[in-house]
Amino acid sequence: GAGVSQSPRYKVAKRGQDVALRCDPISGHVSLFWYQQALGQGPEFLTYFQNEAQLDKSGLPSDRFFAERPEGSVSTLKIQRTQQEDSAVYLCASSPRGYNEQFFGPGTRLTVL
Amino acid sequence: GDSVTQMEGPVTLSEEAFLTINCTYTATGYPSLFWYVQYPGEGLQLLLKATKADDKGSNKGFEATYRKETTSFHLEKGSVQVSDSAVYFCALLNTGFQKLVFGTGTRLLVSP
Repeated sequence: GAGVSQSPRYKVAKRGQDVALRCDPISGHVSLFWYQQALGQGPEFLTYFQNEAQLDKSGLPSDRFFAERPEGSVSTLKIQRTQQEDSAVYLCASSPRGYNEQFFGPGTRLTVL
Repeated sequence: GDSVTQMEGPVTLSEEAFLTINCTYTATGYPSLFWYVQYPGEGLQLLLKATKADDKGSNKGFEATYRKETTSFHLEKGSVQVSDSAVYFCALLNTGFQKLVFGTGTRLLVSP
């Protein structure tokens, strides 16, 4: 079946622009996660949803980062007033209820100029 | 807080050589441990996992044993192939939390 999909795959933004990154999880997966992967580093947790409820946003680096999942399916990660340090690959993952494996999408590579 | 430490790469091997990638962790409680692999241009894929001490995860010829006494989860393969060239990430998921904590990744390069 279809895996986790993310769009766009690549995004170039000028410093100060707002961006929106989309994640389509595997159908029926209750949990959805966002991670940030800087160049040469491992992914770092940003936020977690169970259905439409955002249960953990402890990893969001600043109030410029905002995530939502209004209907418990598709999620959007929004970054306002982008800065160069926001350049990274943003990974989305989903997981079925009661299952500890997370299934990852291909990521969106954000470059802020 | 929880953390994962992996050996730095790149690890460069010839085809059919033996592979070990070291991974140690620091965590409170009893985490589950994972190895993920990232092939060029692709997303992270789960390679194997272990959920309790002394468990051995295995897949595609790769193995790792959850060693609580040494807080380690080293990845091994007896005979690597060129197609195994990728970046390998060790990760943990602690009890009661949902977020994966990753190491920095180890790049494996296998030459014919």
